[in-house]
Parts: sequence; C-alpha cells; structure tokens
Amino acid sequence: AQSVTQLDSQVPVFEEAPVELRCNYSSSVSVYLFWYVQYPNQGLQLLLKYLSGSTLVESINGFEAEFNKSQTSFHLRKPSVHISDTAEYFCAVRNQGGKLIFGQGTELSVKP
Amino acid sequence: GAVVSQHPSRVICKSGTSVKIECRSLDFQATTMFWYRQFPKQSLMLMATSNEGSKATYEQGVEKDKFLINHASLTLSTLTVTSAHPEDSSFYICSARGKPGAEETQYFGPGTRLLVL
Repeated sequence: AQSVTQLDSQVPVFEEAPVELRCNYSSSVSVYLFWYVQYPNQGLQLLLKYLSGSTLVESINGFEAEFNKSQTSFHLRKPSVHISDTAEYFCAVRNQGGKLIFGQGTELSVKP
Repeated sequence: GAVVSQHPSRVICKSGTSVKIECRSLDFQATTMFWYRQFPKQSLMLMATSNEGSKATYEQGVEKDKFLINHASLTLSTLTVTSAHPEDSSFYICSARGKPGAEETQYFGPGTRLLVL
C-alpha cells in the first residue's frame, strides 16, 4: 500500500528564514502529489500540486516543491517565511484507486 | 478557486442524538465526495467515498450504519452521525473532486467540529 512520510512533526523557524518541509512517498507508479495547508480550526487549503510536466511547482504565496522521482520525494520549500505561514502542512499522494493518502503533517511555527 | 462549504461549522449535541452535516460544492459539480475525520494533532482519516447516486464506499473499520452518507446530487453530500456518543466527538471534513480542468484535485471544506456531551 502507498504511504506518505513527513519526516518532521514540528519545524520551528524564525521569521524571514528559509524552511524545508520534507515529504517522501512510497510508490512504483506514476502519482499525483499535493501539499495542503491547514490553519487552526479550519479545513485544508490546496497549496500546490504536481500532476505532470515540470518537476518544480510553485504556489502564489512563495512556496515551491520539487518532484524527485528517483528519491520519491516532494519536499516543500520557502526561501523566507512569514509569521502568517504558521500552520499545519500536509503532504498527500493520490493513489491509483483515486484516494488521497496523507502524511502525518508538519507543524510549522514561525517565530518573530 | 473551487469552494466547498460545510454546515454547521460546529455543533454540540447530547449523547444518543443524531447530527447531520452538509457538504456542498459551490462552483462545480462534484463527481466524487469524501468524508474525513481528524483527531487533534493528527492527520486526516478517510471515512468514506461517495459518488453521486451511488452508495458510499466505507473504509475498513468505519461503521456504515453509524455514519450515514448520502450523495443526493452533484453538489451536495450529507454525513449523519447516528446515536452519537462522546467518542464521536471530532473534526469532520468533507472534500469534493470533479472541477472541470482540475479533475484530479480534491478541494476541502472548512470542517465541522462535533462535540457530543
């Protein structure tokens, strides 16, 4: 069965510092990959997705993720974080059955 | 972007009563809807998948008689928690898929927090 591993449960960083949230998945076939963000007491918002084409995908608020097939990774990065980026981030892979498989989540905490 | 709404956003009920949660896709017809449950500080657990006009497919361990799902139209799915108990208290999130041009993407509702006393 497919699985998604987010290696860091919590990532504390200072404002304006770079950040990387790691995500690895297990799959031997083509996959669709997603990053979602969840603010406190809210649902999930799509941050960015990889379906095909360019392996580097970007969001409108400065995040980017790179699909690395050889390393089965889809790490999320941002060169300079803001206080408002504090949230829970979930990596997900859509399996061939059409279901989203989520990682455990990474809590990003941006401190002033 | 796609919008998925849920109602109510939070509900408190007495043990033994039933609670209905609505999920609507506001700007697209959702061919598939999903219901998730999330415990504090944990990831989302898929409860069931439903296609419009068909019976829902439940994940292993989810009681279909307790969590009734109806997907009556392409824009509405409902989850009814029957005879709710305190252990059913949780954050329930629906998701919809099927937006033209983004059929592979799931859009999530804002969630419903259920507290059973």
